[in-house]
Amino acid sequence: EVQLVESGGGLVQPGGSLRLACAASGFTFTRDWMSWVRQAPGKGLEWVANIKQDGSEKYYIDSVKGRFTISRDNAKNSLYLQMNSLRAEDTAVYYCARDGVAVGLDHWGQGTLVTVSS
Amino acid sequence: QSALTQPASVSGSPGQSITISCTGTSSDIGAYNYVSWYQHHPGKAPKLMIYEVTKRPSGVPDRFSGSKSGNTASLTISGLQAEDEADYYCSSYTSSRTQVFGGGTKLTVL
Repeated sequence: EVQLVESGGGLVQPGGSLRLACAASGFTFTRDWMSWVRQAPGKGLEWVANIKQDGSEKYYIDSVKGRFTISRDNAKNSLYLQMNSLRAEDTAVYYCARDGVAVGLDHWGQGTLVTVSS
Repeated sequence: QSALTQPASVSGSPGQSITISCTGTSSDIGAYNYVSWYQHHPGKAPKLMIYEVTKRPSGVPDRFSGSKSGNTASLTISGLQAEDEADYYCSSYTSSRTQVFGGGTKLTVL
C-alpha cells in the first residue's frame, strides 16, 4: 500500500523558514516524480513544485521561485520542501503527492499545516 | 500560470447527472491530453478520479467520466450518490512543464 506521510509543519513568523518532509513507502520511490501541493484556508488546491526521479529537474510555481526548494533523498525514500522568506500568503496545508505527470497525482498524503503569522 | 476556470458550485439530486466544466488555454488544456480530476472531501487527502482526460484509475466507479473539447475539459458524474458530495478540482499539465489546478467546484447532492 502506498503511503505518504508529511511532517514539519507549524507556526512560523513572516520572513522565517521551515522544512517540510514527506516519507514515502509502499512503492519504488526512485521511479516516480513527486510533487508538493498546497491549500490555503478556504481556498482551492494549488500546485507548488515537482521534482524528477533523480532530482535533475525541478519546477516551481512563480510565487515561490527563489524562496522554496524541492529536493529528495532516494536512499531515505523522502521528499522535502525547504521554505524560506515565508509570507502570510504561504499559510496552507501542504500535501506531498506521487506525480505521474501525464497520469496525474495518484497518491496523496494527509497534509501538514503551515501557519505564517506574527 | 493562471488557475483554470471552474464553476464555484453545482448541485443535483440523487440519481441525476451533473457536469463540471474546466476552461484553460492553448498552453495547458488545449495543448495536452493531460487533464486530471480530483475529488476532495474536507479534511481528507484528495483522490484522483480521472487522468489523461478520460481514464479512470482502478476502483473509481464508471459513473465518473471525463471529456475535452478545445481548451475546455469536463467531468460528468451520472447516477449521483450522497457520497459524491465533495469539492472537485481539475488540473492540467502546462507548456511550462508545471501543473495548474482549477479553482474548485463544490458539488452539493440535494
